Amino acid sequence: KQEVTQIPAALSVPEGENLVLNCSFTDSAIYNLQWFRQDPGKGLTSLLLIQSSQREQTSGRLNASLDKSSGRSTLYIAASQPGDSATYLCAVNLGKSRWNNRLAFGKGNQVVVIP
Amino acid sequence: NAGVTQTPKFQVLKTGQSMTLQCAQDMNHNSMYWYRQDPGMGLRLIYYSASEGTTDKGEVPNGYNVSRLNKREFSLRLESAAPSQTSVYFCASSASGTSGYLGGNIQYFGAGTRLSVL
Repeated sequence: KQEVTQIPAALSVPEGENLVLNCSFTDSAIYNLQWFRQDPGKGLTSLLLIQSSQREQTSGRLNASLDKSSGRSTLYIAASQPGDSATYLCAVNLGKSRWNNRLAFGKGNQVVVIP
Repeated sequence: NAGVTQTPKFQVLKTGQSMTLQCAQDMNHNSMYWYRQDPGMGLRLIYYSASEGTTDKGEVPNGYNVSRLNKREFSLRLESAAPSQTSVYFCASSASGTSGYLGGNIQYFGAGTRLSVL
């Protein structure tokens, strides 16, 4: 069974610092990996999707890397802002093709950016 | 641009009551999903529908049934609610299977239904 672990569970950083969030998974046979953001009381918003053949994906201040062989992904958020305060969730796609899209989630990194 | 719409937003049930959670998407997506989110457990897949006319069990299907009514709508039914089903339920959809579209695996989530079973 695929296990997805996110460390640390919670962290606080001063505004302007770079954020580094870690995700590990036990089975390297994944189709892709996604990072989501969840604000309190809200649904999830997709931030980045990395295909299994890719090493990294970037969007603005966000960069996600993937090392499939070691079962790890890292989300970097540059120059953090108070608006980045949220829970960040990592999810691996258990499917074997673009038709099969079942996600296994980690429990999240709860981030507070202190002004 | 409604995206994924879930109803109701909140619900309180008594043990043994039944109810149906509704989900609709307006993005013409093939696939739809139901998750539950519990403190300390994260999000877990209950059921999913890879395409219209098909449904499959996820990680925690016991106590639930689903119906893919058409391409837009995917409902989740609790036949006899139990306190262990107190949770936040999320519906999601994706354009899975679209040829040549790598982004088709991105899942779009609704705002959730907060359910309490007393």
